[in-house]
Amino acid sequence: DSGVTQTPKHLITATGQRVTLRCSPRSGDLSVYWYQQSLDQGLQFLIQYYNGEERAKGNILERFSAQQFPDLHSELNLSSLELGDSALYFCASSVATGASGDPEQFFGPGTRLTVL
Amino acid sequence: GEDVEQSLFLSVREGDSSVINCTYTDSSSTYLYWYKQEPGAGLQLLTYIFSNMDMKQDQRLTVLLNKKDKHLSLRIADTQTGDSAIYFCAETAVETGGSYIPTFGRGTSLIVHP
Repeated sequence: DSGVTQTPKHLITATGQRVTLRCSPRSGDLSVYWYQQSLDQGLQFLIQYYNGEERAKGNILERFSAQQFPDLHSELNLSSLELGDSALYFCASSVATGASGDPEQFFGPGTRLTVL
Repeated sequence: GEDVEQSLFLSVREGDSSVINCTYTDSSSTYLYWYKQEPGAGLQLLTYIFSNMDMKQDQRLTVLLNKKDKHLSLRIADTQTGDSAIYFCAETAVETGGSYIPTFGRGTSLIVHP
């Protein structure tokens, strides 16, 4: 158990809909990262938040957005869903940004999103 | 952009050593990682190596880094059936803003048979 929790575990929805995935980082971790894992693209970095602020952005679509709240939990919002958005979405956390010399990220169990 | 390549499958007999290989392209890589993913689970960090090291050993795991050839390997000694999983290689360099954002390979499925 990494200490990172994600809800829900599974989500089935229809095209055009909007969903919210939730992540709680390990106690004491300030950074949260979101990744998408699909058969086509492998594991892709989406976005990072550090202490409430966006820190780094990867291959995140404009239909997707995220935020980190004062209690450090994070939500990933996916809208206007398409079939191709079906994937595993992972959240990871780390103590800081990593540049302080602490590069470890701890992954949650993931949310499996199925878009029908 | 950065690229990380791994072979897709490796099959070994229980008790043998497994060697999973990875190549990467980013010469500014700072840290290189090995993660393990079991079915239905998230990624578990096994070990990582700083780019100025050439070897790291942790119990049954040995990581070798050849920075000149940009080649990373993970050796698992005395492989057990519980080691069956997908193993991801990843590399990272400091991004703008000071973050380490790993680039992952596609993963190597390790199958251990009796």
